[in-house]
Amino acid sequence: DTGVSQDPRHKITKRGQNVTFRCDPISEHNRLYWYRQTLGQGPEFLTYFQNEAQLEKSRLLSDRFSAERPKGSFSTLEIQRTEQGDSAMYLCASSFEGNSPLHFGNGTRLTVT
Amino acid sequence: KQEVTQIPAALSVPEGENLVLNCSFTDSAIYNLQWFRQDPGKGLTSLLLIQSSQREQTSGRLNASLDKSSGRSTLYIAASQPGDSATYLCAVRPGIGNTGKLIFGQGTTLQVKP
Repeated sequence: DTGVSQDPRHKITKRGQNVTFRCDPISEHNRLYWYRQTLGQGPEFLTYFQNEAQLEKSRLLSDRFSAERPKGSFSTLEIQRTEQGDSAMYLCASSFEGNSPLHFGNGTRLTVT
Repeated sequence: KQEVTQIPAALSVPEGENLVLNCSFTDSAIYNLQWFRQDPGKGLTSLLLIQSSQREQTSGRLNASLDKSSGRSTLYIAASQPGDSATYLCAVRPGIGNTGKLIFGQGTTLQVKP
């Protein structure tokens, strides 16, 4: 068990470009979550997968955002036509079903210039 | 709509002090409450998980309590050390739905001075 892994750790991009982040959850976990955290705030829920099915999306997730989890393993989060307001830490977490704790990765820090 | 509040936003204490961090939530219908630690620029590390049927959980120098009816949780840190300096976040899992998603407070940033 190597924990939740996220790649890249940091991404700097120019406004208008597309970016994609990857998350590898703990291998036995069937639930996977994406959160966004801005400076001085707690993480905000973006979306959630159970296996390969995306079961919930926050209203924060505009149509420029898309997430996938093919085959119920790793997940990707893509942001199209990035805006400066997208600058944040993007956190991935995974868990078992039921009332079990969430385990977070170290996040991807996105800076849009 | 569930809202989670943590007070104070920042706290500075001398090494060795016992301290209490507070978390309050507006809707008592929760499955569980989880406390996390976050170091600057890093992800979240889970500290303690309290199920809705439990009153407290302990791990080492940490003790978390839950009073669901009043919508409050506290994280007690005994004999604080400089290495405890970090941001502490509490999060509740709402009792409606079965997604497992968490609602977070804004965190309390703790500084323990040597």
